[in-house]
Amino acid sequence: QVTLKESGPVLVKPTETLTLTCTVSGFSLSNARMGVSWIRQPPGKALEWLAHIFSNDEKSYSTSLKSRLTISKDTSKSQVVLTMTNMDPVDTATYYCARMLGGDYVDYWGQGTLVTVSS
Amino acid sequence: EIVMTQSPATLSVSPGERATLSCRASQSVSSNLAWYQQKPGQAPRLLIYGASTRATGIPARFSGSGSGTEFTLTISSLQSEDFAVYYCQQYNNWYTFGQGTKLEIK
Repeated sequence: QVTLKESGPVLVKPTETLTLTCTVSGFSLSNARMGVSWIRQPPGKALEWLAHIFSNDEKSYSTSLKSRLTISKDTSKSQVVLTMTNMDPVDTATYYCARMLGGDYVDYWGQGTLVTVSS
Repeated sequence: EIVMTQSPATLSVSPGERATLSCRASQSVSSNLAWYQQKPGQAPRLLIYGASTRATGIPARFSGSGSGTEFTLTISSLQSEDFAVYYCQQYNNWYTFGQGTKLEIK
C-alpha cells in the first residue's frame, strides 16, 4: 500500500525558512520510475507545482520559486525534504507531497499539511 | 512556462446530465495531460492520464480526449459524487496545472 505523509510546522513567521518532510511507504525512492513532487494550494485557489526529485537525484524547480526552494531525499529513511526560504503570508497554503510515476502525473498524493505564515 | 487555461470556471449541471470541461495549453503538450478531481478537504485524485487513459478504479462515465493544445474531460451522466473541482495538468515540459473548473449542482 502506497502512502505519503507530510510533516512540518503549521505556523511560520514571515522571513523564516520552512522545512517540510514527506515520509513515504509502499515504494522505494530508488525505484527507477519513482519521483516525488511538492505541490501547494493556497486556500480556495488552484494547485501549484513547486519542485520534483527523481530517483537518480535529479531535481527540478518551479521557475518562479526556484531561488527559494531546495528539495532533497534520504532514500534510507524513505523521506523527501523541501525547504522554502524567506516565507511570506502569500505562501500560506496546504502543501502536498505526491508520487509522480515516471516523472509524469501524480498517482498518489499525501493528505497535505496546512502551513500558515503569520507574525 | 506552459500556461494551462480551463473553462468554464464554474459549470452548473443537473444530475444525470453530461458535463464537458475544457483545458487549453499555451503550446503543444502532445498527449501529456492528466485530469484530477478534488473534493473539499481532500487531496486531488487522478482520473485520466495520457489525455484519455482512465486511472485504476475510475468509472467509465469519465472520459478524456484531445491532444496538442485542446483537451476535454467528459462526464457522461453526472452522479452526486461527481460534483467537485477538476484540474488539468500538463507534464510535457515539467508541470503546470490549470486554475480548475468547479462542477456544481444545477
